[in-house]
Amino acid sequence: DIQMTQSPPSLSAYVGDRVTITCQASHDISNALNWYQQKPGKAPKLLIYDTSNLETGVPSRFTGSGSGRNFFLTIISLQSEDIATYYCQQYEDLPYTFGLGTKLEIK
Amino acid sequence: QVQLHQWGAGLLKPSETLSLSCTVSGGSLSDYYWGWIRQSPGKGLEWIGDINDDGDTNYSPSLESRVTLSVDTAKNQFSLKMNSVSAADTAVYYCARAPGYSGKFVSWGQGTLVTVSS
Repeated sequence: DIQMTQSPPSLSAYVGDRVTITCQASHDISNALNWYQQKPGKAPKLLIYDTSNLETGVPSRFTGSGSGRNFFLTIISLQSEDIATYYCQQYEDLPYTFGLGTKLEIK
Repeated sequence: QVQLHQWGAGLLKPSETLSLSCTVSGGSLSDYYWGWIRQSPGKGLEWIGDINDDGDTNYSPSLESRVTLSVDTAKNQFSLKMNSVSAADTAVYYCARAPGYSGKFVSWGQGTLVTVSS
């Protein structure tokens, strides 16, 4: 299985800050990487697919980048409604695997 | 707007069979893969497997021996069965939809907490 390692596990930032979450794959996964946002008590929501494509309706302050083994989710200007846990997921190979998540909080 | 609504028993005893179903409204089962993903505090999000409307399946190797996915196109629903459950199977189970064989889960059910306890 391809292991997905996210960092940091938790992150605290101010509204308006630029925030970056990292995801590293144990193998080269090309650009086969998705990002999800999960709020407490809710199902995950797809934010970004194929590394850098914004899902319909997702604010443009969310951006994705990377390739190969290293990937990044950036929130350009953090808003209070962005408080959530973020997960990466690879689909290069079965079984699909997820990172353990990054919990984002407001300072 | 496609919506997924899932249901099934939430409390099981060890060795029993977990059974969950997911009904799709606002669209058909065609052209998508329909998956199951679970989430437990200890293991995070774990993909269980998926199935398309032709009944083609993919399973996680770690669960394949205990899991069966099925689809009922007449009812526009798909189902998960997992036998011989243990406390380690306690989790929130989600059904989800992925376009084609894309691996991106664009819609999710509301989640069902399944607790395995004697």
